[in-house]
Amino acid sequence: KNEVEQSPQNLTAQEGEFITINCSYSVGISALHWLQQHPGGGIVSLFMLSSGKKKHGRLIATINIQEKHSSLHITASHPRDSAVYICAVRAEGGSQGNLIFGKGTKLSVKP
Amino acid sequence: DGGITQSPKYLFRKEGQNVTLSCEQNLNHDAMYWYRQDPGQGLRLIYYSQIVNDFQKGDIAEGYSVSREKKESFPLTVTSAQKNPTAFYLCASTEDTTSFTDTQYFGPGTRLTVL
Repeated sequence: KNEVEQSPQNLTAQEGEFITINCSYSVGISALHWLQQHPGGGIVSLFMLSSGKKKHGRLIATINIQEKHSSLHITASHPRDSAVYICAVRAEGGSQGNLIFGKGTKLSVKP
Repeated sequence: DGGITQSPKYLFRKEGQNVTLSCEQNLNHDAMYWYRQDPGQGLRLIYYSQIVNDFQKGDIAEGYSVSREKKESFPLTVTSAQKNPTAFYLCASTEDTTSFTDTQYFGPGTRLTVL
């Protein structure tokens, strides 16, 4: 079983829809990252969370440490949001290199 | 503009040849990382370096080598010992080696195809 599981694997939405991507993990963590990978391959860091909630524009990320779960929400989705969204966690006590990545959720937003 | 550059974007090599992938950053970051991405899999750590002249193996270091002679450069060599080298390779950096909650900055990646 993977230590970081994302759902769904693939998601197709209509422009304007509210989108939720989920991430569950099985280890104690010091931080959780949400990343966005564009079709060309480049990756951008969206959020880094250790508790609570963060918002940036139309993106909202939440984390529940007790339930070992995080969600990434996109409000008023747009075709330019089409990308792969990746959840990654840094395990407690892990070394600086110890980021564990999920397999990603591929989002396609249709106009 | 500060950032991470990787070159080339696409690389083709014959089986049995060593190949070196370039990664340069002008962010003045201390830590640098190499990841491998395969279809349907999460990123996996190959090597990382927290300081010049020092580096650590990641989860899949076999068949790879790195050097960190300068703070801004962290080249990755894919050797002939790597059994399945065709993949997308991503370089990343973080500012602070002591914080476990530091943001990772990624380069655009190099897609290596071994023929």
